[in-house]
Amino acid sequence: AQTVTQSQPEMSVQEAETVTLSCTYDTSESDYYLFWYKQPPSRQMILVIRQEAYKQQNATENRFSVNFQKAAKSFSLKISDSQLGDAAMYFCAYGETSGSRLTFGEGTQLTVNP
Amino acid sequence: GAVVSQHPSWVICKSGTSVKIECRSLDFQATTMFWYRQFPKQSLMLMATSNEGSKATYEQGVEKDKFLINHASLTLSTLTVTSAHPEDSSFYICSARDSRLPRELFFGEGSRLTVL
Repeated sequence: AQTVTQSQPEMSVQEAETVTLSCTYDTSESDYYLFWYKQPPSRQMILVIRQEAYKQQNATENRFSVNFQKAAKSFSLKISDSQLGDAAMYFCAYGETSGSRLTFGEGTQLTVNP
Repeated sequence: GAVVSQHPSWVICKSGTSVKIECRSLDFQATTMFWYRQFPKQSLMLMATSNEGSKATYEQGVEKDKFLINHASLTLSTLTVTSAHPEDSSFYICSARDSRLPRELFFGEGSRLTVL
């Protein structure tokens, strides 16, 4: 079974600074997807970024980028120029290629200080 | 983007009663929907995978007789918590996969269940 581990229960960052959230996973599969989701106080899950395992290039979405290290099974999220609206719980997730079944990490609560 | 709607968003019920939560895909057909449970300050735990027109596949440890899932149409899946007890109080979230975009997954807003 796949597992996803987020070792940082809480992180904080100053507004406009950069922060990196860590995620490691375990799988025996060679093809899969990795995701970062944001869950604000409203509890609505919002997709931040997605990475296909077969792609070597790291995914980027505006201020959000990932550092995908397949051999190390590491998938960290970098948030640049942090904004107050980035404050939320962030979940790393592993997705099977066969059908969108996701396994989530424990989450990292991000606080952005003004 | 695609929208997935859950109803009700918040429900309180008495112990021993049954509660139904609906998950609808509003602008796409969802052959597969997923039901998650989330306790406060914890992660999402997959409960079951719901496929249109067939029986749901439950994760290990999830009581299928307690959490009844029905996926009768391509836009609607329901989760019924039968004979609810206070320990069933939780946040339930559904997600749906667009059959045209199999790698896309869309989440509902979640439903908070409180059992008194």
